[in-house]
Amino acid sequence: DGGITQSPKYLFRKEGQNVTLSCEQNLNHDAMYWYRQDPGQGLRLIYYSQIVNDFQKGDIAEGYSVSREKKESFPLTVTSAQKNPTAFYLCASSPRDRGSHEQYFGPGTRLTVT
Amino acid sequence: GDSVTQMEGPVTLSEEAFLTINCTYTATGYPSLFWYVQYPGEGLQLLLKATKADDKGSNKGFEATYRKETTSFHLEKGSVQVSDSAVYFCARGNQGGSEKLVFGKGTKLTVNP
Repeated sequence: DGGITQSPKYLFRKEGQNVTLSCEQNLNHDAMYWYRQDPGQGLRLIYYSQIVNDFQKGDIAEGYSVSREKKESFPLTVTSAQKNPTAFYLCASSPRDRGSHEQYFGPGTRLTVT
Repeated sequence: GDSVTQMEGPVTLSEEAFLTINCTYTATGYPSLFWYVQYPGEGLQLLLKATKADDKGSNKGFEATYRKETTSFHLEKGSVQVSDSAVYFCARGNQGGSEKLVFGKGTKLTVNP
């Protein structure tokens, strides 16, 4: 089955530690995205990548980093510089050859930092 | 600026009631419009979409019509079920050459038996 996988589903870290969230897709999509979801605030875009080896900051990129070395993978690192990292993180992908901008989402990773 | 505005929730209905969740957007042209649904603890799933004015998207009994005159894309369902309880997000496509989406803040729907 084609889809997007995120692992792990739940992640716990101590304050001051960097942590990397995994996102893999086998949909052959060019574009990938990371969102953060907090209660009552909807989805906010962290980073996105339209092609391998290229990515752009979204609306809330501070304290996060990404890489896009392979088409299938777009890992997100939450660094110790992120002041409030506890949130639900969603990864998505979309094909670039469609005009509708439809995105497909993974199941999410809930990160708790204490 | 460019944005998507949804009616604030939470919305609580009884089973078989009629549902409307309002959504309006701002844009300089005619972006694609979407409704996504998120069940508890899960990612978002595309519910329906419309890519041009006057298009009607439909799925699982839900419908929404792209109204350019009122810049709206309201979600409707004639008879909700308990299993429709979820958070619903309206979104529009970006117009800046990338595939980014702009999301509303979400509307939580609870359907009671």
